[in-house]
Amino acid sequence: GAGVSQSPSNKVTEKGKDVELRCDPISGHTALYWYRQSLGQGLEFLIYFQGNSAPDKSGLPSDRFSAERTGGSVSTLTIQRTQQEDSAVYLCASSRTSGGINEQFFGPGTRLTVL
Amino acid sequence: GENVEQHPSTLSVQEGDSAVIKCTYSDSASNYFPWYKQELGKRPQLIIDIRSNVGEKKDQRIAVTLNKTAKHFSLHITETQPEDSAVYFCAASEGSNYQLIWGAGTKLIIKP
Repeated sequence: GAGVSQSPSNKVTEKGKDVELRCDPISGHTALYWYRQSLGQGLEFLIYFQGNSAPDKSGLPSDRFSAERTGGSVSTLTIQRTQQEDSAVYLCASSRTSGGINEQFFGPGTRLTVL
Repeated sequence: GENVEQHPSTLSVQEGDSAVIKCTYSDSASNYFPWYKQELGKRPQLIIDIRSNVGEKKDQRIAVTLNKTAKHFSLHITETQPEDSAVYFCAASEGSNYQLIWGAGTKLIIKP
């Protein structure tokens, strides 16, 4: 079946512009996660959606970052007034939530470059 | 909240030798411990996981061990091969919370 998909795969933007990154999770997965991964670094948690519950936004680095998930499926991560330090790969993951097992399936990521 | 520490940050081993990566966690309520492998330029993928009611789990050349008392778990790779070169991430999760708390990653280098 289809895995997690993300678009665009690459995005180059100028400093100060807004960008939108999209994530399509695996059908039926109720949990969706956004991570940021700078070159050679680990997985930095950004935000977590679980069903109809209020999202956990505790990882968002500033108020320039926001995300929404419409209809419990597709999610969009928006970065306003981009800065050069926002350059990174943005990874989305989704998972079932049952039985205490949380295998997260990752998308291929969006590589964001802010000039 | 949960905190996961992972060591070493880089591990270089001779092809054919074994590699061991260790993680410690802080929350005794954590009960699920997965390991992910991320090859260069690719997405992380689950390679093995263990639940807290089990002390060890094996899958061919890889194994994970869990010590609940000491709150640490380890990834063991035997007979390492060039394709094992990657970054490995450990994580921990408490059952009612489906978030994973991630270690910082270990870059495994297999020397020919």
